[in-house]
Amino acid sequence: GDSVTQMEGPVTLSEEAFLTINCTYTATGYPSLFWYVQYPGEGLQLLLKATKADDKGSNKGFEATYRKETTSFHLEKGSVQVSDSAVYFCALSTGTASKLTFGTGTRLQVTL
Amino acid sequence: KAGVTQTPRYLIKTRGQQVTLSCSPISGHRSVSWYQQTPGQGLQFLFEYFSETQRNKGNFPGRFSGRQFSNSRSEMNVSTLELGDSALYLCASSFNQQSRNEKLFFGSGTQLSVL
Repeated sequence: GDSVTQMEGPVTLSEEAFLTINCTYTATGYPSLFWYVQYPGEGLQLLLKATKADDKGSNKGFEATYRKETTSFHLEKGSVQVSDSAVYFCALSTGTASKLTFGTGTRLQVTL
Repeated sequence: KAGVTQTPRYLIKTRGQQVTLSCSPISGHRSVSWYQQTPGQGLQFLFEYFSETQRNKGNFPGRFSGRQFSNSRSEMNVSTLELGDSALYLCASSFNQQSRNEKLFFGSGTQLSVL
């Protein structure tokens, strides 16, 4: 079946540091890939997505590139802010987008 | 435009009871899906509805059920509650269920505690 593996957290960074959160996947079909973010006390919000190989999704300074050869979709940001503190989920869909397979989530804490 | 609304925000129940959670999707959205979020299992897909029909179901026991009304509002029901049902239940809506690239809009969830 489909699965998503994310790096374990929490990840603690100082403000303006570089961020990488690793995500790899296995899928029976050709998946679309997503990063969702969950701020404290809130539901998930779509951060970015990519629908085919070599696509780069980007939003709010975050980027991730769909790498079919390594089955990866790593999230990066050049300079994190305290407001980026949240839990980040990598996810995929091979059927309808309503049925997502999520990774376990990576908690990011950014300090001054 | 109002977001996805879930009620109630918090629920406390005891083992053996049943519970009903409600979700109102974004206006115009016809697809509603439900997820269970726990620290141990993470986010797991429960089921999805489109135009009042269940189109997909996850690997949960029959105690978990749902329905969708003609106005696209959805409810999920859990009968004979167990301690392990304690979780954050998230509802998500989207316009077009058929596309795998569709963006999901999530509500803030209902936090269920089973004592």
